[in-house]
Amino acid sequence: DTAVSQTPKYLVTQMGNDKSIKCEQNLGHDTMYWYKQDSKKFLKIMFSYNNKELIINETVPNRFSPKSPDKAHLNLHINSLELGDSAVYFCASSEYSEKLFFGSGTQLSVL
Amino acid sequence: GENVEQHPSTLSVQEGDSAVIKCTYSDSASNYFPWYKQELGKGPQLIIDIRSNVGEKKDQRIAVTLNKTAKHFSLHITETQPEDSAVYFCAATPQNTGTASKLTFGTGTRLQVTL
Repeated sequence: DTAVSQTPKYLVTQMGNDKSIKCEQNLGHDTMYWYKQDSKKFLKIMFSYNNKELIINETVPNRFSPKSPDKAHLNLHINSLELGDSAVYFCASSEYSEKLFFGSGTQLSVL
Repeated sequence: GENVEQHPSTLSVQEGDSAVIKCTYSDSASNYFPWYKQELGKGPQLIIDIRSNVGEKKDQRIAVTLNKTAKHFSLHITETQPEDSAVYFCAATPQNTGTASKLTFGTGTRLQVTL
């Protein structure tokens, strides 16, 4: 009964590959997010998404694309992976507020 | 945009001592200030928050203070325990936006509580 769950927990892949990370929340929240945490633990928002609006952080390369099949899911697709994409990616959700509920993270390693 | 600075980056205290983490922000429009705790291998978890109409808020051993004039806010942990060891993040955003898309995080403080 995990509130925000994301899979896989670890993802190791080669440069140039395309990969996806899945996220599901069972909290009934209206907004979902993707965050990137680099090796120095710095948290930076990549996307926020609800049924009405997708907000993209302008610094995110267009190789990254969020896809939301329904309100409870927000997947992250990454094309042509680069070494610099290695990080921990967190999915999160919120309900009409600024309070975030995070998943446990996906550690992506690009070799 | 908002810029949040957090100090110190690492903090080591003995069990039972107090720990203080400080943050400053730049945008005077910010008026909601949450603190998140991230344990090893887990996602950040909200532990306490404060809004601009309040100067201090306490929850058991945790307290947060806010000085809007000086644009800084602090997290205070008293009687620290080994399970308090984690990375702590402050954040700031304008409130009542209905979303966390404008939430800006500090750079994190790694707190280690030693026996």
